[in-house]
Amino acid sequence: AQRVTQPEKLLSVFKGAPVELKCNYSYSGSPELFWYVQYSRQRLQLLLRHISRESIKGFTADLNKGETSFHLKKPFAQEEDSAMYYCALSGLETSGSRLTFGEGTQLTVNP
Amino acid sequence: GAGVSQTPSNKVTEKGKYVELRCDPISGHTALYWYRQSLGQGPEFLIYFQGTGAADDSGLPNDRFFAVRPEGSVSTLKIQRTERGDSAVYLCASSLNPGQIGEQYFGPGTRLTVT
Repeated sequence: AQRVTQPEKLLSVFKGAPVELKCNYSYSGSPELFWYVQYSRQRLQLLLRHISRESIKGFTADLNKGETSFHLKKPFAQEEDSAMYYCALSGLETSGSRLTFGEGTQLTVNP
Repeated sequence: GAGVSQTPSNKVTEKGKYVELRCDPISGHTALYWYRQSLGQGPEFLIYFQGTGAADDSGLPNDRFFAVRPEGSVSTLKIQRTERGDSAVYLCASSLNPGQIGEQYFGPGTRLTVT
């Protein structure tokens, strides 16, 4: 079975501070990991995926297979980063590339 | 271009009633997914269509839930004899090619409330 755990439901930081949203996963095959974001009153959208190895809006995430983690990081948080963040998992062994989501972390960046 | 659309945006129904939720995917996307998001939870997979056929319906909670996609585009999620526990946001997503893992585009969701 595949599982994604986001240990923090709420995270609050000040503008300009570093931020790290934690994600751990359980999957027996070759995982594909993603971060999705939902801004207030907007739909869920893809933020980044580990195979792209790209930085989106200053966010990066590194897949650590040894620790089965995919933490999302940003060195200097901005107020517009306030949103709900979901870590998600898929894999080649998963039917149709269905996604398994964590419970989400609500990030608030205070001025 | 137009994204995934879902109608209605909100649906309030009484316990025991039948409801239909509609999803219009991005044109040309062959894969379509339904997820359910309960309050305080992440989205949970319900069913996946590749073209007209349900390729994986293992996430449907019970036989009160059914979904169709007769022409390979629009999909309808049907819930019979609704229960209060069915209250949630139902999300639809589409993908150009399921082989491109994770490239799913989500609709705004339908908020279902069963009273």
